[in-house]
Parts: sequence; C-alpha cells; structure tokens
Amino acid sequence: GAVVSQHPSWVICKSGTSVKIECRSLDFQATTMFWYRQFPKQSLMLMATSNEGSKATYEQGVEKDKFLINHASLTLSTLTVTSAHPEDSSFYICSARDRKGSNTGELFFGEGSRLTVL
Amino acid sequence: QKEVEQDPGPLSVPEGAIVSLNCTYSNSAFQYFMWYRQYSRKGPELLMYTYSSGNKEDGRFTAQVDKSSKYISLFIRDSQPSDSATYLCAMRTGGFKTIFGAGTRLFVKA
Repeated sequence: GAVVSQHPSWVICKSGTSVKIECRSLDFQATTMFWYRQFPKQSLMLMATSNEGSKATYEQGVEKDKFLINHASLTLSTLTVTSAHPEDSSFYICSARDRKGSNTGELFFGEGSRLTVL
Repeated sequence: QKEVEQDPGPLSVPEGAIVSLNCTYSNSAFQYFMWYRQYSRKGPELLMYTYSSGNKEDGRFTAQVDKSSKYISLFIRDSQPSDSATYLCAMRTGGFKTIFGAGTRLFVKA
C-alpha cells in the first residue's frame, strides 16, 4: 500500500507555544488529506479535511485559529497547534488518499504524532 | 444515536479461537465498509474493504456486510497473539468523509 509519513512522532512542548506536525505522502500524490485526533481508548475524531491549494474544511467544534492546516503541495500537509494548552495533548493522525485511486475508500494513515503539552 | 456503533470491549480469547467483531450503523447511504487494525500508539492500517453487501475473504480474515440489517462483521480464524490490537470499523457514502467506530480492543492469549 501507499506510505504516509508523519513527523514528529512524539513532541513535548510548554503551554503557550506552537507545534507543527507534518504529514507527507511518500509514493503518491494526495489532493486530499485528513487530520484526526484520538484520545486514549477512543476512536478517531475527524478534525479537518485538507485540500491542496485551498482552505481546509473544519469539522464542527474544531477551532480554525487553534488548529492551522496548510496543504501547500500534493505531498505535504501540516497541522499547527497554536498556543498549545494541556487539553490539546492528544494523538494526532493524518491520512491521505491516492489521487489516482478509484472509489475504494482506502485511506492510508500516518504513524501518528503524540503531543504532550506541559 | 451515533452513526456507527461498535462495542469497545475488551475482548479476550485464547490463541486459535475464532474472533467475531461487529458494528452496526444507522445511515443507509453508507456504501463502502472497511476494517482497520491499530496497534498501540500507531496509525491504523487497512485490513479489509468491502463495497455494498456481501462477503470478502483474505487469508484468516473474512468481512461480511449485511446492508438490510445495517450490520457488518469481521471474523478472524485461528487467532494469534499478534492479532492483539484495536479493530476499527469504518464506512462512508460515495463521498470522502469516513466515519469510524469506537474500536474493539482484542487480546489473544497464548
């Protein structure tokens, strides 16, 4: 299957600072990427849909100014958690679809980034 | 009511057992049904994909979709300790937005 790389896999930051997480599709081009948040022992919560060359579409309840998403190229989307607070501590996962793919519904996931805000 | 319901478990079985994992859903427009496996602190990986109703088999894994009952299942035969993980059902309509179940934690004891 296709490979999605996420970096960093683990980050600790101080409250009030900003953290950037990168999501790259390594062997395919992705016009659309998705950002999820996952709390311990819970399912994936879709935060936003990242579209290459346009603004991201945020899910209800997700603060756009808090979670900045940029999809500058067909292989890279970034999520920036601005002015992070301890309640932002979570596991963030990105996924992508191969733009050449048919309607298989197949999402390729990154390894996830664990954010801890002190 | 959630769009997708999945028992979070945990489910504990002995090695070699047949495992049955299930999800129910409420949106009759769902057409694509997936099962993902997620190991601790890792991203999910796609196990099975099914379009519409029917069965699909891949090695020790069998996925079933019953759209009339809005019920999907994943069976694991000859379960192994390495199958211990969280299994997430997922589904979507013709669009891109995928809805995930809560995930069932499975433990296979050696």
